[in-house]
Amino acid sequence: AQSVTQLDSQVPVFEEAPVELRCNYSSSVSVYLFWYVQYPNQGLQLLLKYLSGSTLVESINGFEAEFNKSQTSFHLRKPSVHISDTAEYFCAVSHRQSGAGSYQLTFGKGTKLSVIP
Amino acid sequence: DAGVIQSPRHEVTEMGQEVTLRCKPISGHDYLFWYRQTMMRGLELLIYFNNNVPIDDSGMPEDRFSAKMPNASFSTLKIQPSEPRDSAVYFCASSSSGTGGNEQFFGPGTRLTVL
Repeated sequence: AQSVTQLDSQVPVFEEAPVELRCNYSSSVSVYLFWYVQYPNQGLQLLLKYLSGSTLVESINGFEAEFNKSQTSFHLRKPSVHISDTAEYFCAVSHRQSGAGSYQLTFGKGTKLSVIP
Repeated sequence: DAGVIQSPRHEVTEMGQEVTLRCKPISGHDYLFWYRQTMMRGLELLIYFNNNVPIDDSGMPEDRFSAKMPNASFSTLKIQPSEPRDSAVYFCASSSSGTGGNEQFFGPGTRLTVL
């Protein structure tokens, strides 16, 4: 079984300040890792993902996340947030191997990021 | 591609009525997932299909809920009879085993209100 823990349910931050949203996971097998973003009244959109290779992955709008295997973490960071980043962010994990059940995503409970003008 | 399409976007019904939510996955995707999102319980996986076959329905809350996927381009989630505690946003998502990485693409959701 696998699980995802997002330690902060809400994170308020001032505009142009840096932010880190924390995500820890547990799994007995190798995993893929994802961050999804949900804007108000919308579905979830993929923000970035780690499949293999470089442990630092970036999104097109300035977010980055680093896979840390020893700490089983995949924290999301942005050096300077904008009002438009206000949204809920979900960390998710899935099994790396193929087979029944491996295509499920296990989601964390989400972190609501509020950017204050 | 138009992405995952869900209908209706909003549904208001009275307790005891039947509700049917619809989903059209992205063409070529072989996995389809139904989720429910509430403030209290967050995002819950209800059921998922692979090649139109239900694989895991352990998340379906009770017998009042049923889901079907008659073909690769259409799925329904039905609640009969509906209850106020079923009020939530229901998401459909699809993914492709062929591309690797297990990324899921979500629809815009159906906001269900049961009075």
